[in-house]
Amino acid sequence: NAGVTQTPKFQVLKTGQSMTLQCAQDMNHEYMSWYRQDPGMGLRLIHYSVGAGITDQGEVPNGYNVSRSTTEDFPLRLLSAAPSQTSVYFCASSREPSGASTDTQYFGPGTRLTVL
Amino acid sequence: GESVGLHLPTLSVQEGDNSIINCAYSNSASDYFIWYKQESGKGPQFIIDIRSNMDKRQGQRVTVLLNKTVKHLSLQIAATQPGDSAVYFCAETPGSGYSTLTFGKGTMLLVSP
Repeated sequence: NAGVTQTPKFQVLKTGQSMTLQCAQDMNHEYMSWYRQDPGMGLRLIHYSVGAGITDQGEVPNGYNVSRSTTEDFPLRLLSAAPSQTSVYFCASSREPSGASTDTQYFGPGTRLTVL
Repeated sequence: GESVGLHLPTLSVQEGDNSIINCAYSNSASDYFIWYKQESGKGPQFIIDIRSNMDKRQGQRVTVLLNKTVKHLSLQIAATQPGDSAVYFCAETPGSGYSTLTFGKGTMLLVSP
């Protein structure tokens, strides 16, 4: 299993540009989520999905869109990038969102995004 | 501990020492706690977890202690190795799912050979 994969690893955008961060998992996990990690801030949840066709907002959803058409993929879209979206983005998946010890979240390697 | 500005608190230890990393949480309703390890350039990796009905849980070379009275969580790493060098952070949730996880800011552990 490849686990959770993310592409690209690095990206530089200009203000106003759009792009999609890709996330895929091959563990047949129902639950997927996107986080951003900023220095001194810890991880913050952007959006999450409890299954194909179902998404919901996390703590910091503004400026981001998501969709979940398949169990495997959970792309994150920036429609009009802003410098405040400069961050490291992590995708994660788990079998269930219960938080039980058997349902560990697996994180991808991250995408480092810079918006100029 | 809490971070100051953009700098993470750092714990420097010698190889073979025992390490203790601390985390304070604020939500008295938190029911489930997780410790993650994050190596440079990688995503967070689950280490160990504990529920609020326990005060201690042991894994391989790691022990998590929970003190609900003072809302304090600690991670103990026995016989610390250079490969343990990473940022460690805790996360807490009232138990209703990962969507309610609150992550701490992290502590950097540096292990010298």
